[in-house]
This record gives sequence, structure tokens and C-alpha cells, in this order.
Amino acid sequence: DVVMTQSPLSLSVALGQPASISCRSSQSLVHSDGNDYLNWFHQRPGQSPRRLIYKVSSRDSGVPDRFSGSGSGTDFTLKISRVEAEDVGVYYCMQGTHWPWTFGQGTKVEIK
Amino acid sequence: QVQLVESGGGVVQPGGSLRLSCATSGFTFSRSAMHWVRQAPGEGLEWVAMMPYDGSYTEYADSVKGRFTISRDNSKNTLNLLMNTLRPEDTAVYYCVKDDYGSLDYWGQGTLVTVSS
Repeated sequence: DVVMTQSPLSLSVALGQPASISCRSSQSLVHSDGNDYLNWFHQRPGQSPRRLIYKVSSRDSGVPDRFSGSGSGTDFTLKISRVEAEDVGVYYCMQGTHWPWTFGQGTKVEIK
Repeated sequence: QVQLVESGGGVVQPGGSLRLSCATSGFTFSRSAMHWVRQAPGEGLEWVAMMPYDGSYTEYADSVKGRFTISRDNSKNTLNLLMNTLRPEDTAVYYCVKDDYGSLDYWGQGTLVTVSS
């Protein structure tokens, strides 16, 4: 199975400051169709996860443009340009290239 | 709008069985692959199972293979998960999730399954 490793596992960020989360996969996520199926989800306490980013860098409708995804192959990053209070929660990366699909351990983001 | 509503969770003894259902609306269910994802209390997300739009095959996590069965009824826009030989480590919130080719775009609110004697 593809192991997804996130770092850091927790992050304390001051409002308005940037944040960055790394996600590394144990195998390349390049699919036979040429796409990297790397996704980012955000889960607030007591809520279901919500997708933010798919195919490495495509933002979902309604997701603020302060969120951006980048990377390729085995190395991926989610960046928040200026953290806001509503960004607290846990962020997960997930690969959808290889079966079984697998998630990272999650990164907990809190406000400093 | 897309809605996914899970039901069927509850408390079950180890070795027991439970059947989860997910009622869907707001999209063409018969054209969408569907998944189950679970989250143990205080833990991260674990992908569990997938069935394509036509039910032609299935994919399972190793942790549930041979014990869980995913199925769907396209005439009722419903996804199911039959869970047999349940173990305490199967205790989790189970989410019904819509596929978006290599991704998961819409999630239900989840249903809690507790395996305990």
C-alpha cells in the first residue's frame, strides 16, 4: 500500500501568517493517464471532511484562494498564504492513484 | 444540492453484524462510483471500500476484506455496507462519500458504529 506521510503533525500559526504542510508518498502518484491524484481535505472539529484541493493544485468551488497546492510525483505541499480563524482543524492529504486509496496521518492546525 | 445521508449505525457485540445504508440525492447516482471511509474516535481517516457506478467490481481495504461487503441499488439511489464479524477496532464513524475520479468530493455526515461487549 502507498504510505502517505505528512509533516508537521501539528502547527500553531498566528493569524495572518502563512502555513505549509508537506505530504510525501512512498510511491509516485503519477497515474497511467498522466495525472497525480493527490487531494487535500480539511476537517473542523465535529464536522465531516471537506475537500479543498484535487489533482495536486485544483481548488474546489468556494475554497478561498489563500489555499494552494503544489508538487508532483512523491512530494506535495499545501500552503495557506494568510491563516484565518476558520482555518483551524485537521488537514489530510489522500492519494487516489493506487488501490487502496490512502490518507496521511493528518496535520492539526491551531491559532497561536 | 448533493446530499448523502447515512443510517444504520449503533452498538454491536464483537463478532456481530451491522448494515449501513446511504441515501443519496442531488446528483446522478447511477453514474457515480461511491465509497465508504471511516474514522475511529480521535483518529485519522481510513478509506474502506469502493463500488463503481455499475457495480461491476469492488475494492476494499485489507483491514475489512472478506468481512465487509459494499453494494448499491441504482433504482433507489442507495449505497450499502454490510459489515460481518465485527471487531472492536471497527469502531468508527462511517462516511458515505461520492467519487470524483481519483478523489472524493462530497461526504455525508457519518454514522457511528460501536463494537463493544
